[in-house]
Amino acid sequence: DTAVSQTPKYLVTQMGNDKSIKCEQNLGHDTMYWYKQDSKKFLKIMFSYNNKELIINETVPNRFSPKSPDKAHLNLHINSLELGDSAVYFCASSQELSRGGYTFGSGTRLTVV
Amino acid sequence: AQKVTQAQTEISVVEKEDVTLDCVYETRDTTYYLFWYKQPPSGELVFLIRRNSFDEQNEISGRYSWNFQKSTSSFNFTITASQVVDSAVYFCALSEATGGFKTIFGAGTRLFVKA
Repeated sequence: DTAVSQTPKYLVTQMGNDKSIKCEQNLGHDTMYWYKQDSKKFLKIMFSYNNKELIINETVPNRFSPKSPDKAHLNLHINSLELGDSAVYFCASSQELSRGGYTFGSGTRLTVV
Repeated sequence: AQKVTQAQTEISVVEKEDVTLDCVYETRDTTYYLFWYKQPPSGELVFLIRRNSFDEQNEISGRYSWNFQKSTSSFNFTITASQVVDSAVYFCALSEATGGFKTIFGAGTRLFVKA
């Protein structure tokens, strides 16, 4: 009965590979997000979807592509992985577009070697 | 442009001490929301509180209290009688109406509570 679940929890892959991270929420929230947390713990928003519609698309390389098949899912696909993509990626959801507190997933630690 | 500053990078206290984590924000909007989140060593991010810009009432929840002062653009967080389990990174965050309520986070304050 996890509220926001991300898979996988850990992902180790080689440079140049393509990988996906899946996120699902069972809270009935309208809005979902992807955040990146770097090695210094800095959290930066990447994308925000409201009812499957892209709302926020920060300055993120176009190798990153979010996909929201329905409002309960927001997946993140990354092409041609680079060393600098290594980070922890958090999915989150909220009832109101950024006005409600976020419920975060447990994070996916991506390591590119 | 919105900005959140958590000037304290790390704080170390001994159990049972009170500790205040500072947060200063910048925004041009009159409508905005402020948040605090906790990230314990296990890594998950936990929502603690939300405040909107029209509600300056301070809040207390158990050992936690928050002091919102628009005059100084601050939203400080105090833990009373700290415990080892309070050891975590604490993030202050701001969401403003301009730009679709994008939430930005401060750099975080790492709190160590020693037994």
